[in-house]
Amino acid sequence: GDSVTQMEGPVTLSEEAFLTINCTYTATGYPSLFWYVQYPGEGLQLLLKATKADDKGSNKGFEATYRKETTSFHLEKGSVQVSDSAVYFCALSPGNTGKLIFGQGTTLQVKP
Amino acid sequence: GAVVSQHPSWVICKSGTSVKIECRSLDFQATTMFWYRQFPKQSLMLMATSNEGSKATYEQGVEKDKFLINHASLTLSTLTVTSAHPEDSSFYICSLVPGTGDNEQFFGPGTRLTVL
Repeated sequence: GDSVTQMEGPVTLSEEAFLTINCTYTATGYPSLFWYVQYPGEGLQLLLKATKADDKGSNKGFEATYRKETTSFHLEKGSVQVSDSAVYFCALSPGNTGKLIFGQGTTLQVKP
Repeated sequence: GAVVSQHPSWVICKSGTSVKIECRSLDFQATTMFWYRQFPKQSLMLMATSNEGSKATYEQGVEKDKFLINHASLTLSTLTVTSAHPEDSSFYICSLVPGTGDNEQFFGPGTRLTVL
């Protein structure tokens, strides 16, 4: 069945460092891909999404490109801030079901 | 906008009791509601989907008689864990989809259930 695999965490970076969180997926058809972020004590929030191959989603300095050939959707940010400390979830939605299949989440901690 | 609340945020109960968790949209009407379960350091697992006016659809392996879902209104969904046991201890999260827009899911902050 469809699945999402994220890199193991936690990831600890210094402020202004470059961030990459790897995400690969397995799916039949052409899913939509998402990154969600969960700040402490809050619900998951949509960070960015891409609905077809080669689309690039971006928001708040974060980017991810839908790579069909490598079945990947890696999250990147050029310069992280302490306020980016959170748990990041990669997810896919198969077809038009509206359902989401999540990766296990990656905790990011940014130190001043 | 698109704020979702869950109540309670945490609950501790004795084995054999039933626990009800509420999920509310505060500023929109939701036509579709999802319930997820999350184990420590694991991903969110979809338990069930409910659409306005119809019964919930449960994912494979989720007992519908144990996890009762009521799509009470366009702003409220409840999950009742019946005859809870320690293995039901988990983090339960709801998400709601507004009737307008691009089907984005808006998530509640979650409810931590501990069954003793």
